[in-house]
Amino acid sequence: QVQLQQWGAGLLKPSETLSLTCAVNGGSFSGYFWNWIRQPQGKALEWIGDINHRGITNYNPSLKSRVTISVGTSKDQFSLRLSSVTAADTAVYYCARGAGSSCTGGTCYASDWWGPGTLVTVSS
Amino acid sequence: DIQMTQSPSSLSASVGDRVTITCRASQSISIYLNWYQQKPGKAPKLLIYGASSLQSGVPSRFSGSGSGTDFTLTISSLQREDFASYFCQQSYGMPQTFGGGTKVEI
Repeated sequence: QVQLQQWGAGLLKPSETLSLTCAVNGGSFSGYFWNWIRQPQGKALEWIGDINHRGITNYNPSLKSRVTISVGTSKDQFSLRLSSVTAADTAVYYCARGAGSSCTGGTCYASDWWGPGTLVTVSS
Repeated sequence: DIQMTQSPSSLSASVGDRVTITCRASQSISIYLNWYQQKPGKAPKLLIYGASSLQSGVPSRFSGSGSGTDFTLTISSLQREDFASYFCQQSYGMPQTFGGGTKVEI
């Protein structure tokens, strides 16, 4: 049973930096992509980016200039930093495991385990 | 970015109904389409990956089909615990993108 625990500041002022950490328990850290995904209230999910255990990252171009995803200094953790936040960054932020599974014609990737989510509110 | 369009955005149904949700991609994504279920205040749960493969532990009343640009999630006999929102996601191209969601209500 894989569990993802996440934590970080829930209330920020405009221009501050959002910082969240996700810890992985009960499974291997290597061999997967580790995602950050966010969801404004009542709206669709938005993929922010991912990282593998070697620290190789992919970012959503719409956020790339402000996002840093890194592997944590503690074992089996990864973190998200989003700089210069505005009210538009108010959302529930999820960490999730990206796993590849055999499917017709290749390998299919999906987020199979998710953290509980952290509500981040940006308000002056 | 690949745009994912879900329909309908919401639907009303009763226990026992057969429910179908569609997802259309703005370009061909082969079979790289996933479906998630989300209940209020909870994280999404993976139901279907690779357009039609059932995630372990997911009831067999859920099924997925399609390839290319058009995909379908079907719930063969709606149960009370299935009242939730459903999202499709493409994992073909970067960035990964999600559909706008379908809320299944009583």
